[in-house]
Amino acid sequence: DIQMTQSPSTLSASLGDRVTITCRASQSISTWLAWYQQRPGKAPKLLIYKASSLESGVPSRFSGSGSGTEFTLTITSLQPDDFATYYCQQYSAYSGTFGPGTKVEIK
Amino acid sequence: QLQLQGSGPGLVKPSETLSLTCSVSGGSINSNVHYWAWIRQSPGKGLEWIGSVYHTGSTYYKASLKSRVTMSVDTSRNQFFLRLTSVRVDDTAIYYCTRLSPRVSLDNWGQGIQVTVSS
Repeated sequence: DIQMTQSPSTLSASLGDRVTITCRASQSISTWLAWYQQRPGKAPKLLIYKASSLESGVPSRFSGSGSGTEFTLTITSLQPDDFATYYCQQYSAYSGTFGPGTKVEIK
Repeated sequence: QLQLQGSGPGLVKPSETLSLTCSVSGGSINSNVHYWAWIRQSPGKGLEWIGSVYHTGSTYYKASLKSRVTMSVDTSRNQFFLRLTSVRVDDTAIYYCTRLSPRVSLDNWGQGIQVTVSS
């Protein structure tokens, strides 16, 4: 199985900050990488797919990059709604595995 | 707009069988494009992909759960199902039903069902 890791596990930031979260895969996954945002008590929400494609309706301050085994999610100008936990996920046509998550909290 | 609504018992006894239903509205489960998946989330294991099912009944299960999991669909009712046998305390989790889109991954999620395994 492909293992996913994320860093940092927790990130403290202020409104307006630019934040970057890193995700690594245990083997090459090309660009088959998605990012999700999860707020407390809610289901995860898809933000980015295919490493860098923005899901419809997601603000443009979210962006993704990377390929192979290393990927990043960047949020420019952090907004109040952005304080949440973010998960990366590698996927194929019918399966996938998630990273352990990065919690973005208010400094 | 596609909506997924999960349902099922909130409490199951150890060694019994967990059965969950996901009702799909605003779209057809008969899609030739999408798979339908179950994901669970527990404090100890994070987000875990349980498996996925196609409208034809074709399935894919996580290897470590394969012996206990069955997924199926009822296209006439626009529903898909999860059955997990011989449940244990560590099967306690929030169970999500989701839509898996090709090249996009999980683009629609149900609200989540809290399932507790306890005697």
